[in-house]
Amino acid sequence: NAGVTQTPKFRVLKTGQSMTLLCAQDMNHEYMYWYRQDPGMGLRLIHYSVGEGTTAKGEVPDGYNVSRLKKQNFLLGLESAAPSQTSVYFCASIGMRGAGSNQPQHFGDGTRLSIL
Amino acid sequence: AQSVTQPDIHITVSEGASLELRCNYSYGATPYLFWYVQSPGQGLQLLLKYFSGDTLVQGIKGFEAEFKRSQSSFNLRKPSVHWSDAAEYFCAVGSPWGGQNFVFGPGTRLSVLP
Repeated sequence: NAGVTQTPKFRVLKTGQSMTLLCAQDMNHEYMYWYRQDPGMGLRLIHYSVGEGTTAKGEVPDGYNVSRLKKQNFLLGLESAAPSQTSVYFCASIGMRGAGSNQPQHFGDGTRLSIL
Repeated sequence: AQSVTQPDIHITVSEGASLELRCNYSYGATPYLFWYVQSPGQGLQLLLKYFSGDTLVQGIKGFEAEFKRSQSSFNLRKPSVHWSDAAEYFCAVGSPWGGQNFVFGPGTRLSVLP
């Protein structure tokens, strides 16, 4: 099915290690988002992108970097993982034109990340 | 800045009973409003949305929500809850294209008793 795909689904890291989470969407959406979900706090926006080659900071950007080299992919990087980054990460996308202009965000199934 | 509150962290209802989940928001303009549901280990699924027009919005799975501007509320309702409705529910407000101008509430966890 078309949609938003996140890889990996689970990962355990040691403090100080680095890794990249991949989000891929096949709906030709312009906007893409990375959120983290923590108990009792809902989803908080980390970074987002309004188009290929553009990125912007969200509410909680510290410790993360992102890249949008291709329209369909949005990468979230942790350069030096910290225990405070243990969370569930969700990617989302939304279109701006045509059928996508009046639609909500489409979400991936999440990546559960544990930092030891 | 916009914000969303969901006063109830956890609600338990019996199967077949009615349900109302509360959502209050703060937003500087006419808001876009959403309710999402998240089953354990899953992503978020849209239940319904309000952009404009009729303030009573029908969604999937028998849910509805009513936008009340005077109360800054967008409460979610269902007349008869099913065991499969047990999940976490999130209210969200803002422009979906607005980056930081789209905010989620903290969520309400719904448990359903047989």
